[in-house]
Amino acid sequence: GENVEQHPSTLSVQEGDSAVIKCTYSDSASNYFPWYKQELGKRPQLIIDIRSNVGEKKDQRIAVTLNKTAKHFSLHITETQPEDSAVYFCAASIREYGNKLVFGAGTILRVKS
Amino acid sequence: DTEVTQTPKHLVMGMTNKKSLKCEQHMGHRAMYWYKQKAKKPPELMFVYSYEKLSINESVPSRFSPECPNSSLLNLHLHALQPEDSALYLCASSRSSGTSGYEQYFGPGTRLTVT
Repeated sequence: GENVEQHPSTLSVQEGDSAVIKCTYSDSASNYFPWYKQELGKRPQLIIDIRSNVGEKKDQRIAVTLNKTAKHFSLHITETQPEDSAVYFCAASIREYGNKLVFGAGTILRVKS
Repeated sequence: DTEVTQTPKHLVMGMTNKKSLKCEQHMGHRAMYWYKQKAKKPPELMFVYSYEKLSINESVPSRFSPECPNSSLLNLHLHALQPEDSALYLCASSRSSGTSGYEQYFGPGTRLTVT
């Protein structure tokens, strides 16, 4: 089955710096890659996603890139702010398994002010 | 209404109790999901309902019994749980569970403690 690996497990950055989180997936049939942000005690919140027919997508300070050949995708956050501190999960959707999301292990992002 | 709601927020139950978790959405979504999340871990899929029919059961023990009474409601019936079942139970919904991939929106979860 699909396996998603996520790195790093923790990331500390200074406010205003950029943060990059990387994920790799194993199933070349996966075609949907969302990113979720989860603050302590709260629900996972979808922040950005990308489909396999697109190489890059941006939404204000957040961008996601996808390399289908290498089977990896990355989340880029620019001009980080303290409120970006949270756990970030990447996920991949298995095409033949109808939108089943397989999550990476998560990255704890700490933005120091 | 653009939210998924879940009740109760917290639940403490003994190993011999029977309880139910409830999830509701009014976004017209036709796919609904149950996930289990342990502390410091990602959500793990348990069940998927598509058009009110169970389409995926991730080999979940029978002490967890899902039910989808209509397209807006999803229940999870709990019976004879074990302490290791203590976790955050998350419900999610999406437009469908088709192969093109649709955004899944999560509810706030039910924090379950089994004593």
